[in-house]
Amino acid sequence: DAGITQSPRHKVTETGTPVTLRCHQTENHRYMYWYRQDPGHGLRLIHYSYGVKDTDKGEVSDGYSVSRSKTEDFLLTLESATSSQTSVYFCAIGLAGVGVYNEQFFGPGTRLTVL
Amino acid sequence: GDSVTQMEGPVTLSEEAFLTINCTYTATGYPSLFWYVQYPGEGLQLLLKATKADDKGSNKGFEATYRKETTSFHLEKGSVQVSDSAVYFCAKLYGGSQGNLIFGKGTKLSVKP
Repeated sequence: DAGITQSPRHKVTETGTPVTLRCHQTENHRYMYWYRQDPGHGLRLIHYSYGVKDTDKGEVSDGYSVSRSKTEDFLLTLESATSSQTSVYFCAIGLAGVGVYNEQFFGPGTRLTVL
Repeated sequence: GDSVTQMEGPVTLSEEAFLTINCTYTATGYPSLFWYVQYPGEGLQLLLKATKADDKGSNKGFEATYRKETTSFHLEKGSVQVSDSAVYFCAKLYGGSQGNLIFGKGTKLSVKP
């Protein structure tokens, strides 16, 4: 257990509404990631963070923004949700920089449905 | 570009059968390689890893060997159990110090009693 929680765990919203998902960690790791999981696509990286206020885009960042104002929290925002953003969202923390490889530990996921 | 390709599922086996799930990756340098497992309704868990050529990762009876010459990291288990039913993801490290991972699309394994 890497001390990662995600909230909410389930959310149903309507097209055009803003949505914020929260990832919280208790172990002070520097690297945090947001992925989405869709059938036939595996996991795809949305955004990642390598420190407070340091974030960068991943493979599928369009329509998403992130913020990290403190080490333990990494927020993912859908400014105006669309049906194509219906997915399961996973947060992960990474041990990059600790060794020569990166192990990532995943949260339990948030199932988001956009109607 | 960077990619990981794994065999499409679903894979259905009887208990105690031998399992192989193929995984190949694009070779840019010598990336660390990983297998993750996702049980129904849960997040991903690291199953095993290998950081350099010829390394063998192993855990819970699963093994995978880092083959640089064939750019492969196939997952094997000699005798599967019903409890191994899950989705398995192969992944490689890219992106330098940021430690970003790129995942295959996943292979669903169902083991029947």
